[in-house]
Amino acid sequence: NAGVTQTPKFRVLKTGQSMTLLCAQDMNHEYMYWYRQDPGMGLRLIHYSVGEGTTAKGEVPDGYNVSRLKKQNFLLGLESAAPSQTSVYFCASSYYWSDTQYFGPGTRLTVL
Amino acid sequence: GQQVMQIPQYQHVQEGEDFTTYCNSSTTLSNIQWYKQRPGGHPVFLIQLVKSGEVKKQKRLTFQFGEAKKNSSLHITATQTTDVGTYFCAGRGNTPLVFGKGTRLSVIA
Repeated sequence: NAGVTQTPKFRVLKTGQSMTLLCAQDMNHEYMYWYRQDPGMGLRLIHYSVGEGTTAKGEVPDGYNVSRLKKQNFLLGLESAAPSQTSVYFCASSYYWSDTQYFGPGTRLTVL
Repeated sequence: GQQVMQIPQYQHVQEGEDFTTYCNSSTTLSNIQWYKQRPGGHPVFLIQLVKSGEVKKQKRLTFQFGEAKKNSSLHITATQTTDVGTYFCAGRGNTPLVFGKGTRLSVIA
């Protein structure tokens, strides 16, 4: 039981490049979330999903897209990376809407 | 939108001293959760409070939820070096969880 896993762990991009971050969970959770964490800013919700095939915008969705084609996977895409997207990205999942969130280990992304 | 404010931002204590972090919401919450993030790690769930005035204890940690369900606190008695990290509160009203900015705790041995 791996819990929540994220790939890659680290990535360096140049401005304008694109990439996809993958989150996978093996706990059969309905809800999945993408957060970004910046120094002094806490965790800010980018997008979330309340079930397979659904996505919704969070607090800071601009510049990101997501997909949830399979229940266990939640993908976060950056179409044209910008230096402002340099951050640590965390994926999380939960069984119920108000339930404990289980976080992945994070992806540290640097955009030059 | 819903906002969750957390103070202080930083706290440095001598080992053995007590520590408290406070969380305040702009709206009434249905529940509040607390998470701990060790340096270089990811947030890990500590506890959830649901009822007005609720108090829960985990060993040296005491969590409170205010009567109006708009504020919460985490108190650590006699801190240890293992308590180092950032403590986040996260509140939920009619929206997904909203995290406070966290309180970073440093413990000096």
